[in-house]
Amino acid sequence: QQPVQSPQAVILREGEDAVINCSSSKALYSVHWYRQKHGEAPVFLMILLKGGEQKGHEKISASFNEKKQQSSLYLTASQLSYSGTYFCGTDISSNNAGNMLTFGGGTRLMVKP
Amino acid sequence: GAGVSQSPRYKVAKRGQDVALRCDPISGHVSLFWYQQALGQGPEFLTYFQNEAQLDKSGLPSDRFFAERPEGSVSTLKIQRTQQEDSAVYLCASSLVPMVNSPLHFGNGTRLTVT
Repeated sequence: QQPVQSPQAVILREGEDAVINCSSSKALYSVHWYRQKHGEAPVFLMILLKGGEQKGHEKISASFNEKKQQSSLYLTASQLSYSGTYFCGTDISSNNAGNMLTFGGGTRLMVKP
Repeated sequence: GAGVSQSPRYKVAKRGQDVALRCDPISGHVSLFWYQQALGQGPEFLTYFQNEAQLDKSGLPSDRFFAERPEGSVSTLKIQRTQQEDSAVYLCASSLVPMVNSPLHFGNGTRLTVT
């Protein structure tokens, strides 16, 4: 029931772009994205809702394809501060209208100067 | 407070000891969640409260794990007779409302090491 993230790890040079994918085996109604730095709390990035809405945060944006049961996170012109582990979370509430999340295994992103 | 506060930050317990982990959510937040995060893994759902009601505890790994939120604010996760496999970071999160577009605000977690 947990979403599957790919790739597991990415190494970038500053200024390069990256895409992180999150796939689910069940129907998706919403996807949350969080970033966690080592030893710190996961921090909210954005929520995508059913309808293919694309949202943005700084130079980070995401899309939601409910047909493919997949969400993708796009990091453009990466900065050193983007380093961390990215998690997608999908709702496991019985009514699919809540925020009781199950998280993927994470994608570790390292941005080098 | 400004954010979700968890204590202690670190806890070392000998196998067989009981531990209690505390979570102070953001004031006014209705929903409270506990997650367990093993090293290098994503957070795994343990249990969910809406105010003082524990609506879901399907993720608790065994009956040694118990959580409560008696007055709908502070929550405590208790682990009885700790085992080595309980070693992990325990994260608490809260959200303003239990709705799909309400983000989770996480605390820094309690790192539990069972020796």
